[in-house]
Amino acid sequence: QVNLLQSGAALVKPGASVKLSCKASGYTFTDYYIHWVKQSHGKSLEWIGYINPNSGYTNCNEKFKSKATLTVDKSTNTAYMELSRLTSEDSATYYCTRNNIGTTDYWGQGVMVAVSS
Amino acid sequence: DVVVTQTPPTLSATIGQSVSISCRSSQSLLDSDGDTYLNWLLQRPGQSPQLLIYSVSNLESGVPNRFSGSGSETDFTLKISGVEAEDLGVYYCMQATHAPLTFGAGTKLELK
Repeated sequence: QVNLLQSGAALVKPGASVKLSCKASGYTFTDYYIHWVKQSHGKSLEWIGYINPNSGYTNCNEKFKSKATLTVDKSTNTAYMELSRLTSEDSATYYCTRNNIGTTDYWGQGVMVAVSS
Repeated sequence: DVVVTQTPPTLSATIGQSVSISCRSSQSLLDSDGDTYLNWLLQRPGQSPQLLIYSVSNLESGVPNRFSGSGSETDFTLKISGVEAEDLGVYYCMQATHAPLTFGAGTKLELK
């Protein structure tokens, strides 16, 4: 069965960076893009961007282009998102989700990032 | 960016009642490939979103057939024919025709 397992919660200081992971299993990792989505507390969902695990090509929302860097490690079927220069506005839950022809059919459990000194 | 507007923001229902949620987009979601990438997701309390319906009206595998989707171009509707307790949570519509992907603000379904 398809599963996206995300790394644990993170508490980070303002100005620092954090790298989140999303380990895929149950399907051929390189056959499906991985999207990343942000959900601020109690709010709706924002699309950050996606990565093609086969080629490494990324496409990011203009809003997050200077904030998020998407990468993959095909040897471990893991997608990563690094968030840089963190501020309180980056405190949120982040999800990875699998793209399947115009939709997002499987979601990770989410990882909470808290930015605080 | 395509703006996706959901109504109502909150919906109160009794078990067994049928309800509908509306989703309107600021641009047509008909893609050049002929498909319309409007999807519906449910986020139960404390859980990740899960896909219910894709491409307007296609039921995701394992989703009960009391859920149905309809619409075209800019106007879409999710209907639940006979709410059950497990249906409570926040429903989101999401468009994937235009980049960036965008989501509605959500409709919270609660028990009356």
